[in-house]
Amino acid sequence: GAVVSQHPSRVICKSGTSVKIECRSLDFQATTMFWYRQFPKQSLMLMATSNEGSKATYEQGVEKDKFLINHASLTLSTLTVTSAHPEDSSFYICSAKPGSLVNEQFFGPGTRLTVL
Amino acid sequence: AQRVTQPEKLLSVFKGAPVELKCNYSYSGSPELFWYVQYSRQRLQLLLRHISRESIKGFTADLNKGETSFHLKKPFAQEEDSAMYYCALSDSWGKLQFGAGTQVVVTP
Repeated sequence: GAVVSQHPSRVICKSGTSVKIECRSLDFQATTMFWYRQFPKQSLMLMATSNEGSKATYEQGVEKDKFLINHASLTLSTLTVTSAHPEDSSFYICSAKPGSLVNEQFFGPGTRLTVL
Repeated sequence: AQRVTQPEKLLSVFKGAPVELKCNYSYSGSPELFWYVQYSRQRLQLLLRHISRESIKGFTADLNKGETSFHLKKPFAQEEDSAMYYCALSDSWGKLQFGAGTQVVVTP
């Protein structure tokens, strides 16, 4: 149980286009999902916290107009990188937290974004 | 400010030798600490959480509030322990801050 999927696993796009990444909790409901970014050979950096039915909260230095997050249901959160540029190329990872008292996050496999 | 420090980027040990991964933290509140592991080409997964006080795959970690440490230990390393290990601190909202990670290589 507690499986999180991400789609797509890999995407290549041209500079200036927008890219949407989906994060789904397959067998549990997630009231909270998190989006992370990981540069090569670096650790995960939290970008934003996505709460179902409310606006996402962004970490300091993360542009909310650049990285649009929507958490429309208890099993789906989406991250849209708008007007992508080469510096947005990275590995984006989501995690989902069940709506329970247990403080545990389950991670997706990640999405590799390459902006040409 | 909260911070998680993993001083070792790479730890190379022989099979059967003890392994210890260091993790120090700074946090003004009551911390909740985790160790996550990422095997090659796999997703990040939880290895240990300090409140569980359990041993997983032979690994243990004890929270030392006096030294603000949460070091991960295993008495006898196995080749399948080769992976990237991240120490993480959760705040009261459940947000995780990760350390830089330690790559463990276990050689036969």
